[in-house]
Amino acid sequence: SAVISQKPSRDICQRGTSLTIQCQVDSQVTMMFWYRQQPGQSLTLIATANQGSEATYESGFVIDKFPISRPNLTFSTLTVSNMSPEDSSIYLCSVEEATGFYGYTFGSGTRLTVV
Amino acid sequence: QKEVEQNSGPLSVPEGAIASLNCTYSDRGSQSFFWYRQYSGKSPELIMSIYSNGDKEDGRFTAQLNKASQYVSLLIRDSQPSDSATYLCAVSVTGGGNKLTFGTGTQLKVEL
Repeated sequence: SAVISQKPSRDICQRGTSLTIQCQVDSQVTMMFWYRQQPGQSLTLIATANQGSEATYESGFVIDKFPISRPNLTFSTLTVSNMSPEDSSIYLCSVEEATGFYGYTFGSGTRLTVV
Repeated sequence: QKEVEQNSGPLSVPEGAIASLNCTYSDRGSQSFFWYRQYSGKSPELIMSIYSNGDKEDGRFTAQLNKASQYVSLLIRDSQPSDSATYLCAVSVTGGGNKLTFGTGTQLKVEL
């Protein structure tokens, strides 16, 4: 399966600031996904990022708050903008794999705490 | 009604027993079904996928799918303490942009 490097692994940020999370994959993938996992909760999809097109956001998530870049087939970034304590979560990137096996692989996650 | 439902648990089983984890889904267009294991503080790890009605076995794990009943389950045989984790059921809908919808997860505790 693909190897996904996600960084930073954790950060503590001041409210009102922004944090950019990077996701690097060791192979080319068409679709990358960004999820949020709030404390004690399951995963909620933020957006789907395809190379060469605008990201598609799920209900409740907007581009101004969570801008996403997808400059090539191996890399994506998610920015959490104008942070508040409610943004404290684990953020995970994921890729769809269709070579060798079909499934979705996750990065190691970014644990964000907003103070 | 939630799209993917799981009993949150905790489900406690003795070591060596069979653990049975269940999941129901609401969208009849769902085509692909996945079970992920998530240890505390770690990211989800794919352990099983299933696409057709019936059973699929992989080692100690068996996934079962019944599309008519909109039901998917995971059986873990010979449960070990290392199986203690949260198990997430995820579903993808054909034509839904290939995105996954997750259940809330079932916490499994395997006791010595």
